[in-house]
Amino acid sequence: DILLTQSPATLSLSPGERATLSCRASQSLSSYLAWYQQKPGQAPRLLIYDASNRATGIPARFSGSGSGTDFTLTISSLEPEDFAVYYCQQRTIWPTFGGGTKVEIK
Amino acid sequence: EVQLVESGGGLVQPGGSLRLSCEGSGFIFSSYSMNWVRQAPGKGLEWVSYISSSSSVIYYVDSVKGRFTISRDNARNSLYLQMNSLRGDDTAVYYCARGVRGSGSYLSYHMDVWGKGTTVTVSS
Repeated sequence: DILLTQSPATLSLSPGERATLSCRASQSLSSYLAWYQQKPGQAPRLLIYDASNRATGIPARFSGSGSGTDFTLTISSLEPEDFAVYYCQQRTIWPTFGGGTKVEIK
Repeated sequence: EVQLVESGGGLVQPGGSLRLSCEGSGFIFSSYSMNWVRQAPGKGLEWVSYISSSSSVIYYVDSVKGRFTISRDNARNSLYLQMNSLRGDDTAVYYCARGVRGSGSYLSYHMDVWGKGTTVTVSS
């Protein structure tokens, strides 16, 4: 099974700051990784698919990059509603998720 | 509006059974693969099971193999998860999620529509 390792586990930032989240895979995923946002008590929401494509309705401050085994989700300027947990996801044979990164208010 | 609505969760004793349902609306249900994803209290997301659009391909996470069965009824726009021999570590919110495969590689796959979830609690 492919392992997805997200770092850091927690990111403490202020509104307006830039957030950089990492997802590392145990083997190459080419350019195929998705990112999700989850707020407390809510279902996950798709942000990014195929490493860099924003899902419908996702603001431009969210961007994804990377290929192979190293991927990054960047939030260019944090809005109050962006403080949440973020997960990466891959599918080689079946889907798996990373452990998540919590973006909290500093 | 594209929507998924789960039902069937509840409190069950260890060793018991439960059947979850997920009804889709606002899209052609039979065209999409579907997934069950769960989240234990205070933990991250864990993919549980996948079923292709025609039910020809099914996968499970190792921890539920032999105990859970995924199925679907495209005529009823519904997805199911039969859960037997339930254990305490099956306690979680269970989400159904629609799968989308990209036009390129098989690796291109994401879940673009999620239900609000149904809570399963396994406890005596």
